[in-house]
Amino acid sequence: DAKTTQPPSMDCAEGRAANLPCNHSTISGNEYVYWYRQIHSQGPQYIIHGLKNNETNEMASLIITEDRKSSTLILPHATLRDTAVYYCIVSLSGGGADGLTFGKGTHLIIQP
Amino acid sequence: DVKVTQSSRYLVKRTGEKVFLECVQDMDHENMFWYRQDPGLGLRLIYFSYDVKMKEKGDIPEGYSVSREKKERFSLILESASTNQTSMYLCASSLGSGVITDTQYFGPGTRLTVL
Repeated sequence: DAKTTQPPSMDCAEGRAANLPCNHSTISGNEYVYWYRQIHSQGPQYIIHGLKNNETNEMASLIITEDRKSSTLILPHATLRDTAVYYCIVSLSGGGADGLTFGKGTHLIIQP
Repeated sequence: DVKVTQSSRYLVKRTGEKVFLECVQDMDHENMFWYRQDPGLGLRLIYFSYDVKMKEKGDIPEGYSVSREKKERFSLILESASTNQTSMYLCASSLGSGVITDTQYFGPGTRLTVL
């Protein structure tokens, strides 16, 4: 019973902004949207999370729609090292209470 | 920076062997987790622990046990390894302590092959 829906793969040119969409139409009012990524042969890495407002950190920006049913992760200037599988996760607590449920994610390929 | 280390990157064992996977974190985190990752199935939670000597079953605990004798160390045990336990095993830790939003930090993974 998937809580999020992401495209299986996306391409983006190096230096351009990569916009990764995620649908979470059944999100409840107190659930957060988390993004992690997994570079090949490494463990997942936390990127960003948000509840209602848009968020930005040194890695990315997170745009959440007003109805909270979808969000977009933005990597402003993609590099080849951003090639990875990106996971959008909906969680009450970030997994601290009971772990995270990872879906299949989006395989983002940055093209030179 | 939080560092989560796992005892081996690659491990090959035979069917029926007892296997220990060790995970250590250096940030005094309360919560620790074991996941396995298989192609097409994503990450699945095996066990987690929110305190020393405490453990909780995740989604797929069958065939596994865990041990947390010290706060920084969380061990995954395969009592009698089977070929269907061939997988990538990922350990993670998080601060816990009742924070509203927690973040998990993952180790590099152990790729276990059971022959």
